[in-house]
Amino acid sequence: DAGITQSPRHKVTETGTPVTLRCHQTENHRYMYWYRQDPGHGLRLIHYSYGVKDTDKGEVSDGYSVSRSKTEDFLLTLESATSSQTSVYFCAISEVAGGPHNEQFFGPGTRLTVL
Amino acid sequence: QQQVKQSPQSLIVQKGGIPIINCAYENTAFDYFPWYQQFPGKGPALLIAIRPDVSEKKEGRFTISFNKSAKQFSLHIMDSQPGDSATYFCAASDRGSTLGRLYFGRGTQLTVWP
Repeated sequence: DAGITQSPRHKVTETGTPVTLRCHQTENHRYMYWYRQDPGHGLRLIHYSYGVKDTDKGEVSDGYSVSRSKTEDFLLTLESATSSQTSVYFCAISEVAGGPHNEQFFGPGTRLTVL
Repeated sequence: QQQVKQSPQSLIVQKGGIPIINCAYENTAFDYFPWYQQFPGKGPALLIAIRPDVSEKKEGRFTISFNKSAKQFSLHIMDSQPGDSATYFCAASDRGSTLGRLYFGRGTQLTVWP
């Protein structure tokens, strides 16, 4: 398995509280991604990073922010959690973007429940 | 707007059957089409991928068929086994832009009965 860890693996929080999810990789891959997975919606991209301090929005970025101060860490922050952000969050990494092999490796996921 | 449309949402077959999962896309700039497999409680993992310059790719019991003119591709699982029970996602990307961003279908939950 690609060296990707996510923390915490499970979290229950209350509406309005800030939440930070962490993705840590040991592969030294340049590209990192945050997805959320919801029944009937598949995997939707929240934010991605193409280098340290270089990030951009995905298709469902409202209510989320990210930071990447080191190659190995990509943080996802919910500034004020809402019940609609209850989901399973996956981090993914990729060595290259584009080219013949565009494989993304996924972490184990974080199950977040917002009450 | 769904960039990649996947069907069916769920599929049940008996052991030895050949489940087929279909995906369609509109963006003709897409040039990489992977399939990911996800077991409960795990992250998705790349299963097999194809580029549009070939019409078929096989890896073991898994085959991707690709129809460029119809903008469709499908996954076939030969001699399916209970261990193949998982959720399958198709995806597509335009490797020349958007930093190789993958657009995923909504997934197909496959159950293979023994």
